[in-house]
Amino acid sequence: ETGVTQTPRHLVMGMTNKKSLKCEQHLGHNAMYWYKQSAKKPLELMFVYSLEERVENNSVPSRFSPECPNSSHLFLHLHTLQPEDSALYLCASSQERGTSPSTTNEKLFFGSGTQLSVL
Amino acid sequence: QKEVEQNSGPLSVPEGAIASLNCTYSDRGSQSFFWYRQYSGKSPELIMFIYSNGDKEDGRFTAQLNKASQYVSLLIRDSQPSDSATYLCAVTSAGNNRKLIWGLGTSLAVNP
Repeated sequence: ETGVTQTPRHLVMGMTNKKSLKCEQHLGHNAMYWYKQSAKKPLELMFVYSLEERVENNSVPSRFSPECPNSSHLFLHLHTLQPEDSALYLCASSQERGTSPSTTNEKLFFGSGTQLSVL
Repeated sequence: QKEVEQNSGPLSVPEGAIASLNCTYSDRGSQSFFWYRQYSGKSPELIMFIYSNGDKEDGRFTAQLNKASQYVSLLIRDSQPSDSATYLCAVTSAGNNRKLIWGLGTSLAVNP
């Protein structure tokens, strides 16, 4: 396995379901990200984990819950989603340049994404 | 609000021509500038980055940065149908957190 792998590729869920997205990076990076991509909107940063510590949470609703058990794995737990949450969810990783969590590197390597549809 | 602006397109060029993609940004203190390519149904892929004023060339791609005009562009020489994709411009904000600000992307179609 190389790069950033993300599963599942497609997910259809009802508003009462609970599901999880999984991401694994094989690049030796120490920062991981969740992004949301919706039509006619710029990429929206949801969460950042740097050195396994969450350093950013951009006012994301609590129905999205991230988990980063180690520097190679990242999860996004989903529960009681709304139809407007339907979008492409992208995992990414990068190599930090410094020791501070604020100096995350901007050269992002993305996973293949999960196309989520909430019915 | 800090913004990155791109013409959504579609930009249509014939095969072999030069495609010119433009991006303007509002944060004068931005330090790092990136171009990502995203094929339909795929995830973004970093193709160029530039930090200093001037040109940076990599194969058929040239990134041009003008900080005074707050303008960054991507030139694709000898355009191929395989270059047809959406090109996303991303710029870091000034300050310690260096957050990435993304444009909406420009759709490029290279016609055989």
